[in-house]
Amino acid sequence: KAGVTQTPRYLIKTRGQQVTLSCSPISGHRSVSWYQQTPGQGLQFLFEYFSETQRNKGNFPGRFSGRQFSNSRSEMNVSTLELGDSALYLCASSGTGLITEAFFGQGTRLTVV
Amino acid sequence: GENVEQHPSTLSVQEGDSAVIKCTYSDSASNYFPWYKQELGKRPQLIIDIRSNVGEKKDQRIAVTLNKTAKHFSLHITETQPEDSAVYFCAASEAGGSYIPTFGRGTSLIVHP
Repeated sequence: KAGVTQTPRYLIKTRGQQVTLSCSPISGHRSVSWYQQTPGQGLQFLFEYFSETQRNKGNFPGRFSGRQFSNSRSEMNVSTLELGDSALYLCASSGTGLITEAFFGQGTRLTVV
Repeated sequence: GENVEQHPSTLSVQEGDSAVIKCTYSDSASNYFPWYKQELGKRPQLIIDIRSNVGEKKDQRIAVTLNKTAKHFSLHITETQPEDSAVYFCAASEAGGSYIPTFGRGTSLIVHP
């Protein structure tokens, strides 16, 4: 069974630009969550999508948005990039059921210069 | 919302010693507590989890304890080995429906040979 796949693995962008990250969940998983990881801040929850609907949202500005497609693949978009957006962005997929493990992708390392 | 505090942020031990990482949570509705291990440059992976109807769970050299009354849970690693060196994250969530874990800020465990 293929794991969670994130593309690209690395990105370098300039302030003011926008970026789109992609996440393909494990086959059969319908929930995809996105996290921002920075040193000392741990894993900050961005949002979660389930069956193409945003079900939960963290405390991030509106420059951070996402969507999910009918095949459960998800994209995350960040507009008007700031230096502080430099981070590792991780997505995690989960199956259905009462208690399910979150499986993480390798992440996309975004550097804003 | 849920708030998870994790201590210490850094833990340095000698090989063979035990290591303990502690977390507290705020939402009494939380009933699922996973622990993730993230090795350098790799994705977080689930190493052990505990549900609120259990006070302790063991898996070889690792164990987790939960005190629901005090709202705290701990990870215990015995006979530490250099390969245990990693960042460990605790999390808390309310299972059922939307599974969105709130993560602690992580503990960097360093095991010296």
